[in-house]
Amino acid sequence: NAGVTQTPKFQVLKTGQSMTLQCAQDMNHEYMSWYRQDPGMGLRLIHYSVGAGITDQGEVPNGYNVSRSTTEDFPLRLLSAAPSQTSVYFCASSFRKPGTSGDTQYFGPGTRLTVL
Amino acid sequence: AQSVAQPEDQVNVAEGNPLTVKCTYSVSGNPYLFWYVQYPNRGLQFLLKYITGDNLVKGSYGFEAEFNKSQTSFHLKKPSALVSDSALYFCAVRDGGGTTDSWGKLQFGAGTQVVVTP
Repeated sequence: NAGVTQTPKFQVLKTGQSMTLQCAQDMNHEYMSWYRQDPGMGLRLIHYSVGAGITDQGEVPNGYNVSRSTTEDFPLRLLSAAPSQTSVYFCASSFRKPGTSGDTQYFGPGTRLTVL
Repeated sequence: AQSVAQPEDQVNVAEGNPLTVKCTYSVSGNPYLFWYVQYPNRGLQFLLKYITGDNLVKGSYGFEAEFNKSQTSFHLKKPSALVSDSALYFCAVRDGGGTTDSWGKLQFGAGTQVVVTP
């Protein structure tokens, strides 16, 4: 298994540009989520999905869109990039099953985004 | 609402000495608690979790954590630190009593940088 993969690894955008961060997992996980990591703030949840066709907002959703057309893929779209969106973005997935057999999130390697 | 506090930005320890990384939490229901580690330029890796049962949880790489309900704490410990343990450690919590749609909505702490010196 490749686990959780993210592309690109690095990206530089100009203010106002749009782009899509890709995330894919091959573990048949129902739950997928996007976080952003900023210094001193830990990870903050942007959007999440409990299954194909179902998405919801997390703690910091403004400026980001998501969709979940398949179990495997969960892309994150920046419609009009702003310098405040400069961050490291992580995708994660897990089984939608609480307790000892679930609840463990598997993280991708991250995308480092800079908005000028 | 749920929250996590990691009171130390950085912990310095000599190799071979005990390592403790502190975490306190607040949730309205039963806490599901997690520790993750992040090595430089890498994603987060799962270390251990407390869901229910024994308050002492053993995890990967010789780490363990103790759940203390009265103190609302979940401190991470390792009896003998290694230089290779130098990394950023995150504590996370979610409310175990939430609906199925809240599963996985983890609240992360700000992280604690661990520096182990030879």
